[in-house]
Amino acid sequence: AQSVTQLDSQVPVFEEAPVELRCNYSSSVSVYLFWYVQYPNQGLQLLLKYLSGSTLVESINGFEAEFNKSQTSFHLRKPSVHISDTAEYFCAVSNFNNDMRFGAGTRLTVKP
Amino acid sequence: DAGVIQSPRHEVTEMGQEVTLRCKPISGHNSLFWYRQTMMRGLELLIYFNNNVPIDDSGMPEDRFSAKMPNASFSTLKIQPSEPRDSAVYFCASSLATGLPPSEQFFGPGTRLTVL
Repeated sequence: AQSVTQLDSQVPVFEEAPVELRCNYSSSVSVYLFWYVQYPNQGLQLLLKYLSGSTLVESINGFEAEFNKSQTSFHLRKPSVHISDTAEYFCAVSNFNNDMRFGAGTRLTVKP
Repeated sequence: DAGVIQSPRHEVTEMGQEVTLRCKPISGHNSLFWYRQTMMRGLELLIYFNNNVPIDDSGMPEDRFSAKMPNASFSTLKIQPSEPRDSAVYFCASSLATGLPPSEQFFGPGTRLTVL
């Protein structure tokens, strides 16, 4: 079965600084990769996804992630974060049977 | 669309009591997922349904947990009897599965369960 490892449980960063949230996956078959964001007291929302094609995918609020098959990674990056980006971020992997597995999550805290 | 609806939003109960969590998926979606989130274990998939049929319940922790989906617009997750270690936030999610690639899951706001 597929699995995901998020290497950092917490990432504190100052406003306008760049950030990278790391995600590594393992799977024996083709994978589809997702990043979800969870704001306090809310459910998860899709941030971006890689299904096929270009290995670099972007969200509407400035995040991007790159699928790296050789390193089995799907790290999430943003060149300049805002206070409003404070949230928990989950990397997830799915395969052909629609069974999605989530990582443990990374809590991003943006400080003024 | 109202999104995925879960009720209740908060539930406080005593150990040994039966707890029923409810979920209404987005209209037209054919897959439904139940997750449990805790600080210790993160987000865990408990069970998921496709066209109202349970596909994988390997994440259900014990026989005290059961889930049903009697029709396309309603699902329940029941815990009987409840224990303090069941305290968690329970999320329901739904998606429109059309084969490959897998579809985005839409999450409800969650039910925060506290078992005293």
